[in-house]
This record gives sequence, C-alpha cells and structure tokens, in this order.
Amino acid sequence: NAGVTQTPEFQVLKTGQSMTLQCAQDMNHEYMSWYRQDPGMGLRLIHYSVGAGITDQGEVPNGYNVSRSTTEDFPLRLLSAAPSQTSVYFCASSFQQGRINSPLHFGNGTRLTVT
Amino acid sequence: ILNVEQSPQSLHVQEGDSTNFTCSFPSSNFYALHWYRWETAKSPEALFVMTLNGDEKKKGRISATLNTKEGYSYLYIKGSQPEDSATYLCAYRTGGFKTIFGAGTRLFVKA
Repeated sequence: NAGVTQTPEFQVLKTGQSMTLQCAQDMNHEYMSWYRQDPGMGLRLIHYSVGAGITDQGEVPNGYNVSRSTTEDFPLRLLSAAPSQTSVYFCASSFQQGRINSPLHFGNGTRLTVT
Repeated sequence: ILNVEQSPQSLHVQEGDSTNFTCSFPSSNFYALHWYRWETAKSPEALFVMTLNGDEKKKGRISATLNTKEGYSYLYIKGSQPEDSATYLCAYRTGGFKTIFGAGTRLFVKA
C-alpha cells in the first residue's frame, strides 16, 4: 500500500491563480481531511469528508473548495490564491464506520507559497 | 468552536529526565482522543487513540491517560532520549468525526 499520497510536493503560485492539491489513499478509508500547518498554530482543519459525496467545513474553510467523488480521492481547490494561503497542507485519512480506534494517516504534505 | 489546548508550548529536558504534557479538550460530544508524534520534516504519526474514560495506553517509554469527564489527557515520557525530540500533538475527535488538533508541545531532549 502506498498509504496517503499528496501531489505536488512543492508549489509556487501568484496571487489570484487557482490550483488543485491532490490527495489519494489506497487503504479504503471512509474519512479524509485537509489541514494546514502554520508556525505556532498546529494543524488547522480546512475541510473533511466522511464518505464519497459527503463533505463538510472545518475550522478554516474560507478560500478552499473540496469534493469527494470517489472513496480514494479528496482534492483541495484554491480558487484565487492569496498570500495568506502560504502554508504547508496535509491530507489525512482514517477508517470510520465501526472502527473507533482508527488513527489518522497523513500524507507527506504540500508546501505552497503564494507571492 | 472546539478548543483543544496543549501545555506547555515547549519543553527542554536533559537526557534521562522524565516529563509529561497536558491536553485539555471539550468534555461534550467526545468520541476519541488521539496523540501523535511529529518529527521535523516528516508527517505526524499516531501514538495512541483513546476512547474510554480512565483509559491508559503504553508504548515503550511513552504512556498516556485519559479523563473524559473533566476533559484532559496526559502524555508521559519516562527517561527521555534525544530521539524523543519532536512535537507531540493531541487531537479531539467528535461524534461527527471532525478531528481538531491542539497546537502541540515541542520537546527538546539534550544529550
């Protein structure tokens, strides 16, 4: 199993550009989520999904869109990048139904700079 | 707003010292409490998932306890080693599976 795969690893955008951060998992996890990591602020939840076709907002959803058309994929879209979105983005997934002890499995992160 | 607080923010100890950190979380709508270890330039890795009040978990020199009624968990490291240097994160999972992290405790262990 590859686990949780994030692409790209690094990205530089100009203000106003759009892009999609990709996240895929091959563990048949129902739950997937996106976090951003900023210095001194830990991991903040952007959006999450409890299954295909179901998404919900986290703590800091503004400026980001998500969709979940398959169990495996959970892309994060930045519609119009802003310098405040410069951050490291982590995708994480876990089992959900009936597996209360399931921890999150993280991807390697995408380092995004918006100039 | 779900507030997960961790203390201290950072900790410097000598090799061989034992140490502990605190995580406080809302006691309502509790589903699970996670602890993760996060080394620089890597991704967080799970240490423990705790679900029941009074739970105690142990992995080698690291252990954790859980009090869901008062909303806190402790992580203990016995005989700290330089390789224990990392950020330790706790995360609170609600019944809706939303998982909220604290800001972490950064541990530095000096040889």
